[in-house]
Amino acid sequence: GAVVSQHPSRVICKSGTSVKIECRSLDFQATTMFWYRQFPKKSLMLMATSNEGSKATYEQGVEKDKFLINHASLTLSTLTVTSAHPEDSSFYICSARDRIRGGNYGYTFGSGTRLTVV
Amino acid sequence: QKEVEQNSGPLSVPEGAIASLNCTYSDRGSQSFFWYRQYSGKSPELIMSIYSNGDKEDGRFTAQLNKASQYVSLLIRDSQPSDSATYLCAVLQPGGGNKLTFGTGTQLKVEL
Repeated sequence: GAVVSQHPSRVICKSGTSVKIECRSLDFQATTMFWYRQFPKKSLMLMATSNEGSKATYEQGVEKDKFLINHASLTLSTLTVTSAHPEDSSFYICSARDRIRGGNYGYTFGSGTRLTVV
Repeated sequence: QKEVEQNSGPLSVPEGAIASLNCTYSDRGSQSFFWYRQYSGKSPELIMSIYSNGDKEDGRFTAQLNKASQYVSLLIRDSQPSDSATYLCAVLQPGGGNKLTFGTGTQLKVEL
C-alpha cells in the first residue's frame, strides 16, 4: 500500500530556532501534499496545501513566512517552522494525494512529528 | 463554511458489541467520504471509504451513506479493546482543491 515517510518523529528545539520536517511518498508520486497540525484532543487543522513545483496555498490565519513549505519533487515536501516559539509546539502531520489514484481513495498520512519548543 | 460534525464522545461499548459512529456534513455536493482511525499520539489511518448510497462492508467494519440526509456512519461489529481510538469522519470537498474536511472525531472506548 501507499506509504508516506515523515521525519523526524519527535524534535525538541530551543525557542527562536528553525525546524524542518520532511515527508516523502515512498511508492507513489504525490502531486499534492497537505500539512496539518493537531493540538491534544483536537481534530486536524489544515495549515497548507502544497503542489509539486508551485507555491503552497495557506489556510486563513496561517503565517506563510513562519511555516515555509517546499514541494520540489513529486515525492518530497518539507515544512520548516521558522523562529519557533513554545506556542508552535504541536503534532504536525502530512498527507499525500496519489497522482494516479487521486483523492477518491483517500489520502495517506505520514506518521507525524511531535514538536516541542522550549 | 463547509462542516463535518461528529459527536465527540466518549462512546463506550462492551467488548463484542456493535459500535455505531455517526457523522453529518453540510455540503450537499460532496461525493467521497472516509473514515480514519487515530490512536492516541499517532497519525490517522484510513479504514473505510464510501461513495455511493447504501452500505459498504469490509470485515468487521460497515460504512453507511445517505446523501439525501447528508449522513455517514461507521459500524464496528464484535468490538475489541484494540478498536479503542478516535474515529475521524472526512469528506472530500467538491471543487475545493482536493481538500479533506475532517470532523472533530468520536472517541470510542471498548470495555472488557
